[in-house]
Amino acid sequence: AQSVTQPDIHITVSEGASLELRCNYSYGATPYLFWYVQSPGQGLQLLLKYFSGDTLVQGIKGFEAEFKRSQSSFNLRKPSVHWSDAAEYFCAVGDSGGSNYKLTFGKGTLLTVNP
Amino acid sequence: ETGVTQTPRHLVMGMTNKKSLKCEQHLGHNAMYWYKQSAKKPLELMFVYSLEERVENNSVPSRFSPECPNSSHLFLHLHTLQPEDSALYLCASSQERGIYNEQFFGPGTRLTVL
Repeated sequence: AQSVTQPDIHITVSEGASLELRCNYSYGATPYLFWYVQSPGQGLQLLLKYFSGDTLVQGIKGFEAEFKRSQSSFNLRKPSVHWSDAAEYFCAVGDSGGSNYKLTFGKGTLLTVNP
Repeated sequence: ETGVTQTPRHLVMGMTNKKSLKCEQHLGHNAMYWYKQSAKKPLELMFVYSLEERVENNSVPSRFSPECPNSSHLFLHLHTLQPEDSALYLCASSQERGIYNEQFFGPGTRLTVL
């Protein structure tokens, strides 16, 4: 069965600092990978996704993520964090098999941004 | 209204009550989803509807009963709930069923079961 691990429950960074959120997945075939963000009181919003091709993918709000098959990782990065990036971030893997609409989510990483 | 809306935003109910959660999408999508988001746990898919037909019931207890009268509306009927059912219930929609289709989420209903 597929699974997603986000090792960091809570991360605090200063505004303007760089950010990396970790995501490790377990999936037998080629994974379809996603990062979502959830701001307080809001639903989830898709930041970026990886299906195939270039392993470095660009998303919205200045985020990027790199797929590393050898490490089973899909870490999210941003070079300079803004206060508005404070939110919870979820990594997810999509089922490319029979149930090709099912997303398996990690438990999330809560990002706090200090001024 | 735009995107995916959910009502009510907050709901407190007793274990013997019957209530319903409503979701409406204004995106012209054909697939709709119910998710449960509990503290300290990953988001769990509960139900999936595609063109008003239920295509997934992810081992959800029968005290949760979904209804999809048309492609724009999705309901979750609740009865005889347990305190452990307290959670944020998220609705989502996508153009079609399938992970190639981005899911758009509503803001959720925060449910508290006393």
